[in-house]
Amino acid sequence: KNQVEQSPQSLIILEGKNCTLQCNYTVSPFSNLRWYKQDTGRGPVSLTIMTFSENTKSNGRYTATLDADTKQSSLHITASQLSDSASYICVVSRDNYGQNFVFGPGTRLSVLP
Amino acid sequence: EPEVTQTPSHQVTQMGQEVILRCVPISNHLYFYWYRQILGQKVEFLVSFYNNEISEKSEIFDDQFSVERPDGSNFTLKIRSTKLEDSAMYFCASRAGVANTGELFFGEGSRLTVL
Repeated sequence: KNQVEQSPQSLIILEGKNCTLQCNYTVSPFSNLRWYKQDTGRGPVSLTIMTFSENTKSNGRYTATLDADTKQSSLHITASQLSDSASYICVVSRDNYGQNFVFGPGTRLSVLP
Repeated sequence: EPEVTQTPSHQVTQMGQEVILRCVPISNHLYFYWYRQILGQKVEFLVSFYNNEISEKSEIFDDQFSVERPDGSNFTLKIRSTKLEDSAMYFCASRAGVANTGELFFGEGSRLTVL
């Protein structure tokens, strides 16, 4: 069954600290993997998109990694800010036309002052 | 910056009523999607639309649902006879071209409450 799992379910950190969120997937075939940030009550916003051949990709303080062999990805957030409080969703695309996206349940991150 | 816009932002309706949710995708985009997210749950795929027809749909997208692109700019989701379990946030999304790494842009969502 095509699934995307994420851990932890929720995370609380202090402002300025780093954190790493995990994503494991059993999606096949695999086309690409995306991380999205979703503020409460808002639409998801793309952070990174990685294809099979990419191991790491950065977007400011966000760095995503991908291990296609173990089917794992991580999202590392450096020097967290209060505005990083959101849900972070891992999404795997199944086909070459990007039509079929499998969403993970998300990790709810709370950054406290 | 171009964005996907959705209306209404919130709609309250009685069970059994018809609801139309509207979306204006980014103007040069070719692929359009509807997703829903029940409160506290993950985003679920409903339907994808390309070249004026449905390209894929999920089990959720049954006969009560339909989509239309009536005028080349709007993309609508109709729920014919709403049920309590249709209460959710509905997100429209669009993507530019055939590149499989094309970014998916989401709207801010339409919250549907069925009473």
